[in-house]
Amino acid sequence: GALVYQYPRRTICKSGTSMRMECQAVGFQATSVAWYRQSPQKTFELIALSTVNSAIKYEQNFTQEKFPISHPNLSFSSMTVLNAYLEDRGLYLCGARTGGADAEQFFGPGTRLTVL
Amino acid sequence: GDSVTQTEGLVTLTEGLPVMLNCTYQTIYSNPFLFWYVQHLNESPRLLLKSFTDNKRTEHQGFHATLHKSSSSFHLQKSSAQLSDSALYYCALTSGSWQLIFGSGTQLTVMP
Repeated sequence: GALVYQYPRRTICKSGTSMRMECQAVGFQATSVAWYRQSPQKTFELIALSTVNSAIKYEQNFTQEKFPISHPNLSFSSMTVLNAYLEDRGLYLCGARTGGADAEQFFGPGTRLTVL
Repeated sequence: GDSVTQTEGLVTLTEGLPVMLNCTYQTIYSNPFLFWYVQHLNESPRLLLKSFTDNKRTEHQGFHATLHKSSSSFHLQKSSAQLSDSALYYCALTSGSWQLIFGSGTQLTVMP
């Protein structure tokens, strides 16, 4: 079956430091990977959408300078949160899809970021 | 741009009563794909239903939804709520691109 793993599951960093999180697709080809942040009071905030062999598209309020993403192949993607502050706290979800527009998006369990 | 609207942020009902969670969408694309995702506490979201066929009922795990392009709606329904249905429900849309656009979510709480 199709699975998405995320590492680490939980992480704590000091304010102003950076942390990197990873997303791995198993059992299918992750042609597109979407990174989301789910804050306690909010729904999914799409950070960026990465499609292999295309430019990564960042949503408003999110930038490459703050959330650099790598999507080097059809099974792996990583995102770094640079200079993390309190407002960056939340659950970071990776959603991977393959195929056409009706393809299911498989979510990883998320990386929960706590900023002290 | 495309958008999905879920008007109820919180729905609370008693076990055994019918469930209806609203979802409407906006897109200029004539053939959108609509999805319902469910997220239980401390779990990641998973697909519950999907549809792209107008006026065709889609069913899974006791839930059903019908895409109505005339009203741009894809409401989620169930005839009888169970305690285990308590979760966050997200309606989502894709209009042919890679991006899934999510609604704000509806927290369904089923009471005994």
